[in-house]
Amino acid sequence: DGGITQSPKYLFRKEGQNVTLSCEQNLNHDAMYWYRQDPGQGLRLIYYSQIVNDFQKGDIAEGYSVSREKKESFPLTVTSAQKNPTAFYLCASSGLGSNEKLFFGSGTQLSVL
Amino acid sequence: GENVEQHPSTLSVQEGDSAVIKCTYSDSASNYFPWYKQELGKRPQLIIDIRSNVGEKKDQRIAVTLNKTAKHFSLHITETQPEDSAVYFCAARPNFGNEKLTFGTGTRLTIIP
Repeated sequence: DGGITQSPKYLFRKEGQNVTLSCEQNLNHDAMYWYRQDPGQGLRLIYYSQIVNDFQKGDIAEGYSVSREKKESFPLTVTSAQKNPTAFYLCASSGLGSNEKLFFGSGTQLSVL
Repeated sequence: GENVEQHPSTLSVQEGDSAVIKCTYSDSASNYFPWYKQELGKRPQLIIDIRSNVGEKKDQRIAVTLNKTAKHFSLHITETQPEDSAVYFCAARPNFGNEKLTFGTGTRLTIIP
């Protein structure tokens, strides 16, 4: 699995509910990322973090929140403020520096009940 | 910031023929250009990458070419096989600081048996 584990594989959200997607990596990567992918669409960056206890908004951060309390973990919370949360969510990680490559987790499919 | 455009959005080729996907980028500081392959419901996987100090790189049936003057790079797949059917994403990243990757919108490649 490339050392990046996402869970769960499938997740259902009720109206008004917050849900949290898990992402853990054992690659000793400093940087971690969350992308959203809609059917037939590209990869849009939600949030990213390059160091513990610090993170930056990506292109579509509204309605999402993250934390980076440990180097290995970068959970994403989809809040009730995200009105259209149905999508495939991909976590990724990389080292820092110009020679580092980006690796993806296996994704979480989030659907609204 | 960087902007990456990818064409075509869909491509169908006969098995055994070649496929070419093209990307252009806007930031002249970009010098790392990876390509990812994503099969249906799976994670994107890095298949080949190129840095701006080379113009072409090959790996078996896959090659990538880079024209820094024109700011475009291309993926070439020769002798296509059914397992090449997937969505392909290009990306670009500058080499200063710890800049993140910017992805193209993807090309859905279908190999016709």
